Amino acid sequence: DVKVTQSSRYLVKRTGEKVFLECVQDMDHENMFWYRQDPGLGLRLIYFSYDVKMKEKGDIPEGYSVSREKKERFSLILESASTNQTSMYLCASRHTPRGARNEQFFGPGTRLTVL
Amino acid sequence: AQKITQTQPGMFVQEKEAVTLDCTYDTSDPSYGLFWYKQPSSGEMIFLIYQGSYDQQNATEGRYSLNFQKARKSANLVISASQLGDSAMYFCAMRDPMNSGYSTLTFGKGTMLLVSP
Repeated sequence: DVKVTQSSRYLVKRTGEKVFLECVQDMDHENMFWYRQDPGLGLRLIYFSYDVKMKEKGDIPEGYSVSREKKERFSLILESASTNQTSMYLCASRHTPRGARNEQFFGPGTRLTVL
Repeated sequence: AQKITQTQPGMFVQEKEAVTLDCTYDTSDPSYGLFWYKQPSSGEMIFLIYQGSYDQQNATEGRYSLNFQKARKSANLVISASQLGDSAMYFCAMRDPMNSGYSTLTFGKGTMLLVSP
């Protein structure tokens, strides 16, 4: 069974703290993604990585950074958490698309609250 | 410009009835893919069905079918014989271009479906 895991389901942090969200996949996927989900806004792409040590900004990268040192792991970093980063964070992975559906597989999500 | 539009914030349907969730998209790329995902209250996104822009037939997966009308740029999800477990948020998404590690998914805002007994 394919699996994407995220380090925490729920997380509460204080304003100004450095926050690490970890995502691990066991499917040998090349591409990995971080989204945030807010009511009424759907899913918005923060960053993605098409291969190890590679990263690309998504639609809303401000206030975030990422790290991908190993193929299976993609970390999202909030350098100095702020209350407007309270959200649901979803990680996903897939193989590089080559003419097939190559759907993204999602983790269970991390609900982050910044106080 | 918004690339994926889901105009129905919420839909109600009775058990065993069919329901159609609307999705329209916008792209200038001739090669793209359309996806539907389900998100139950547990939060995990579950892939349901996929339609490629060059596919001749409408996609079907069990009780799910995709009504793909290319000229109208619509990709509506049809759920036949609704079940209580179908109550969830449903997202339409598009990938363009099709074949690139740089291609990403653009999601609509979602439709909340509630199935009543």
